[in-house]
Amino acid sequence: NAGVTQTPKFRVLKTGQSMTLLCAQDMNHEYMYWYRQDPGMGLRLIHYSVGEGTTAKGEVPDGYNVSRLKKQNFLLGLESAAPSQTSVYFCASSYLSGTSGGVSYEQYFGPGTRLTVT
Amino acid sequence: AQKITQTQPGMFVQEKEAVTLDCTYDTSDQSYGLFWYKQPSSGEMIFLIYQGSYDEQNATEGRYSLNFQKARKSANLVISASQLGDSAMYFCAMREAGSSNTGKLIFGQGTTLQVKP
Repeated sequence: NAGVTQTPKFRVLKTGQSMTLLCAQDMNHEYMYWYRQDPGMGLRLIHYSVGEGTTAKGEVPDGYNVSRLKKQNFLLGLESAAPSQTSVYFCASSYLSGTSGGVSYEQYFGPGTRLTVT
Repeated sequence: AQKITQTQPGMFVQEKEAVTLDCTYDTSDQSYGLFWYKQPSSGEMIFLIYQGSYDEQNATEGRYSLNFQKARKSANLVISASQLGDSAMYFCAMREAGSSNTGKLIFGQGTTLQVKP
């Protein structure tokens, strides 16, 4: 049981280049999320998905696109990378959103991708 | 707007002592969940503890407990008997479980904890 995996682990891009980050989970989770982590700012939600074939914008979606063609995979694309997108990117998944009582339905995180845009 | 505030950028604690990491939140929803995650220097995010807004008792998980004061909108993490391996960044996060039901988390800025031998 690998949990949540992310590829690649590290990447250096030049401004204007494009790339896709892959997130895969083997826990049959419905919900998947992409966050970015910048120093001193915690994690901010980029895009998320509540099920196969559905995606939605989070707090900081500009410059990114996502796709969820298969339940276990959630792809994050950068169409034209900018230095401001230098960050650590985390993918996460959870079974359900759930209600406030009882079960936590916590998000499980991947190991992260460190992206540098020069 | 929903918001999580962690006012302690860095904390020090002596090994074997207890430490409290502060977290306050703002939400207009009656139903929500509060989480604490640990991020060691290796970078992974590790779930520690969860508190639901309707849970009457404070959550506990081993050496971790959550001091939940709903009226004050605070959800402080208490680590008892600190160990060197507790040195890490700690994030408080909130999930609203209202009609949107998306499971989205809002994170605080984090607190760096250093445990001294």
